[in-house]
Amino acid sequence: GAVVSQHPSRVICKSGTSVKIECRSLDFQATTMFWYRQFPKQSLMLMATSNEGSKATYEQGVEKDKFLINHASLTLSTLTVTSAHPEDSSFYICSATRQFGSYEQYFGPGTRLTVT
Amino acid sequence: EDKVVQSPLSLVVHEGDTVTLNCSYEVTNFRSLLWYKQEKKAPTFLFMLTSSGIEKKSGRLSSILDKKELFSILNITATQTGDSAVYLCAVFPSSNTGKLIFGQGTTLQVKP
Repeated sequence: GAVVSQHPSRVICKSGTSVKIECRSLDFQATTMFWYRQFPKQSLMLMATSNEGSKATYEQGVEKDKFLINHASLTLSTLTVTSAHPEDSSFYICSATRQFGSYEQYFGPGTRLTVT
Repeated sequence: EDKVVQSPLSLVVHEGDTVTLNCSYEVTNFRSLLWYKQEKKAPTFLFMLTSSGIEKKSGRLSSILDKKELFSILNITATQTGDSAVYLCAVFPSSNTGKLIFGQGTTLQVKP
């Protein structure tokens, strides 16, 4: 199989604090991981592409200093939302591919972030 | 700018009905089009289409691609309440980044 996990599944934090979300490929090595956010009743918006051992590539309009991405190993990528604000509340989903440039993305179950 | 547009945005039908979901796209270099089903959590893969006119089928779901007119349709026959979900269309451009470009999704509700 190709299983991707995310932790936590749900988090509530106070405005101004930072939150870290982990994305792990459990049974394969992920050369590339993608981070998306999804607002209610909207589609997935790609935030950044992360390759193991290199800096993430952010999409236009995504603040890299606010959404810190680290892809330290072939099975783990983390997204840290720094100084979170209520407008950062969203559903964050990661996906992973086995091969660089492959269309097959395996999605994690998502993390629901609520900033109060 | 690469773009994927789905229609309708939402749809309510009754069990047993047949539905057709549409996806049109404009991308600089097209490689494949993918359909996903999302029920509250992560999207699950349904189909990948690369060639025009070849229908992909899985049970009551089928999909076809028209590369000349730049669209795809997803058909669901004899709908069931378990088909209620958001259906996402995504295009995989012919680049080596692996990025998918998603449409807005179609929310399907199947009533008993």
